[in-house]
Amino acid sequence: DSGVTQTPKHLITATGQRVTLRCSPRSGDLSVYWYQQSLDQGLQFLIQYYNGEERAKGNILERFSAQQFPDLHSELNLSSLELGDSALYFCASSVATGGYNEQFFGPGTRLTVL
Amino acid sequence: KNEVEQSPQNLTAQEGEFITINCSYSVGISALHWLQQHPGGGIVSLFMLSSGKKKHGRLIATINIQEKHSSLHITASHPRDSAVYICAVLSWDTGNQFYFGTGTSLTVIP
Repeated sequence: DSGVTQTPKHLITATGQRVTLRCSPRSGDLSVYWYQQSLDQGLQFLIQYYNGEERAKGNILERFSAQQFPDLHSELNLSSLELGDSALYFCASSVATGGYNEQFFGPGTRLTVL
Repeated sequence: KNEVEQSPQNLTAQEGEFITINCSYSVGISALHWLQQHPGGGIVSLFMLSSGKKKHGRLIATINIQEKHSSLHITASHPRDSAVYICAVLSWDTGNQFYFGTGTSLTVIP
C-alpha cells in the first residue's frame, strides 16, 4: 500500500459525459501528478500540482482539467468524454516538486467510456 | 518520435538468469526513474537516478548521462520479478515533463 488513494476504482460512463476522479496523496506529500495509461499510447504525463499550484503540464487535453485543494487532495475532471478516453488514470504523489523525488502511485481509476 | 526508447519489448528468462533492460532517451533530463508495473496494474517506483549507479537487493540501475542511456539489471531472477518495467525521464528541455518508455514485459519461468 503506497498511501495514495484514488476513487473510484472503476467508472463506466457514456460518450459526452463528464466525470471527476479523485486522488488523496500520502500524508506529508505536497506534489500530485496525474497520468493516463491507455493500451495504444502507454503511460502519459498529464499534469502536476505542487501545494495547490500547477507546476508542469504534459499531454493534457483541453477537455480535461485538474486542481489541487488546500487539503492537498486533487481532482481530475474529464468532460465531453470520447471512446478514446477509456484508460487507466493514475495519480502519484511525492514530498516535493522536481524529478529528484520518489513518486508513490495510487492504484488507479479504470475509466470505460461506452 | 519517441523521447524514450526501451529494449527489449518482451523478455522471457529462466529462473536464476541475469537480466538486463535498456533505456535510451533523446532529451535533456533532470532525473530518470525505473518503475515496475505488476500484472494487476499497480505501479511501484524502483529507482530514481540522476547519475551513477544504485542497488537495491537484486536490482541494480545505472545511468550514463553522456550517452543518454540507462540499464536495469536483475540478478538471480525469480518468477515474482515477472512484471512490466518502465523507464521514465523528467525532461528540463520541455518544461519539466515526464516521458515514458513503452515498457519491457518480463516473464521469469520457474
